[in-house]
Amino acid sequence: GDSVTQMEGPVTLSEEAFLTINCTYTATGYPSLFWYVQYPGEGLQLLLKATKADDKGSNKGFEATYRKETTSFHLEKGSVQVSDSAVYFCALSDWNTGNQFYFGTGTSLTVIP
Amino acid sequence: NAGVTQTPKFQVLKTGQSMTLQCAQDMNHEYMSWYRQDPGMGLRLIHYSVGAGITDQGEVPNGYNVSRSTTEDFPLRLLSAAPSQTSVYFCASTRDREPDTQYFGPGTRLTVL
Repeated sequence: GDSVTQMEGPVTLSEEAFLTINCTYTATGYPSLFWYVQYPGEGLQLLLKATKADDKGSNKGFEATYRKETTSFHLEKGSVQVSDSAVYFCALSDWNTGNQFYFGTGTSLTVIP
Repeated sequence: NAGVTQTPKFQVLKTGQSMTLQCAQDMNHEYMSWYRQDPGMGLRLIHYSVGAGITDQGEVPNGYNVSRSTTEDFPLRLLSAAPSQTSVYFCASTRDREPDTQYFGPGTRLTVL
């Protein structure tokens, strides 16, 4: 079945450091891929998405490229800020399976000044 | 638009009690879903609905019932609460059948004693 695996946290970085959060997926069809962010005490918000192979999603300085050959969708940001501290979820949707979204377990990021 | 709203925000139940978590959206979205979020497990799909009058089971449906009498509302019922149902519950809606943005509510934190 479909699934998403993302690197475990927690991750602690200093402000202005480079961020990478790894995400790989398994899907039977041609899924769309997403990164969601959850700030403390809030629901999930879409951060970025890519709907086909080689697409790059980007938002707020974050970016991720849909790599079909490695079944990956790693999240990157060149210079993190304290306000980026949150939990990040990788997800896929594969309507070919008749189901909706599959989420990874989440990676907690803390950025220290 | 209010987006996706959930009530209550917090709830404490005793084992065996029943209750309904409310979810409503004012975006005329056809697809709505209920997830539970547990530490280290990400989000898991409980039930979903592709439109009024149609519901289906997700990954972890046992102990929960749903109905969809209108496009706007998608309540989740706990028939006989158990401590294993202690979790944070999120409702989400999606515009159409194509992979698209999921809009999440703020969540309901449920504790079952």
